[in-house]
Amino acid sequence: AQSVTQLGSHVSVSEGALVLLRCNYSSSVPPYLFWYVQYPNQGLQLLLKYTSAATLVKGINGFEAEFKKSETSFHLTKPSAHMSDAAEYFCAVSDPRVPGGYNKLIFGAGTRLAVHP
Amino acid sequence: DGGITQSPKYLFRKEGQNVTLSCEQNLNHDAMYWYRQDPGQGLRLIYYSQIVNDFQKGDIAEGYSVSREKKESFPLTVTSAQKNPTAFYLCATSASGASNQPQHFGDGTRLSIL
Repeated sequence: AQSVTQLGSHVSVSEGALVLLRCNYSSSVPPYLFWYVQYPNQGLQLLLKYTSAATLVKGINGFEAEFKKSETSFHLTKPSAHMSDAAEYFCAVSDPRVPGGYNKLIFGAGTRLAVHP
Repeated sequence: DGGITQSPKYLFRKEGQNVTLSCEQNLNHDAMYWYRQDPGQGLRLIYYSQIVNDFQKGDIAEGYSVSREKKESFPLTVTSAQKNPTAFYLCATSASGASNQPQHFGDGTRLSIL
């Protein structure tokens, strides 16, 4: 069965510093991968997705993620953190082999990002 | 303005009461989903529907029920059988049920026990 692990439930960075949020998946074949962001008391917003095209994926708000099959990872990065990036981030996977194509997303537990001045 | 509308934003349930959470979309998406979010646990799937008049149980369907009579609407009822209903409930849609389609989320309903 597929699973997603987000290392670090809380990450704290200084404004202007590199943001690195880790996501590892467990699957026998490369899955489809997604990163979402959630601000307090709101729904999830799609940041970016990997669906077997380019391994380096650029998303909204300056975020990007790189799919590394050998490491079964899809880490999210941003070169320079902004105060507005403070939120909770979720990595999710879906299985491309599911018959009938039902899009069941498996979510990680989330990483809360704090940005301090 | 296109999107997913969940209502109400906050809901309180009394002992033994059923409550219904509304989810409406005007994205013309075929698939709709309900998730439950608890602190530190990510999202867990309650029910999903890939087409009108059809829906399937997710991972934690006990104590919940849904209907899909219209493409635009996928209401969730939290029944009195759900003994721990306090959570943040999120509705999502996707263009189809295909696994490469991202899901889009509403702003959620926070349910609490009185």
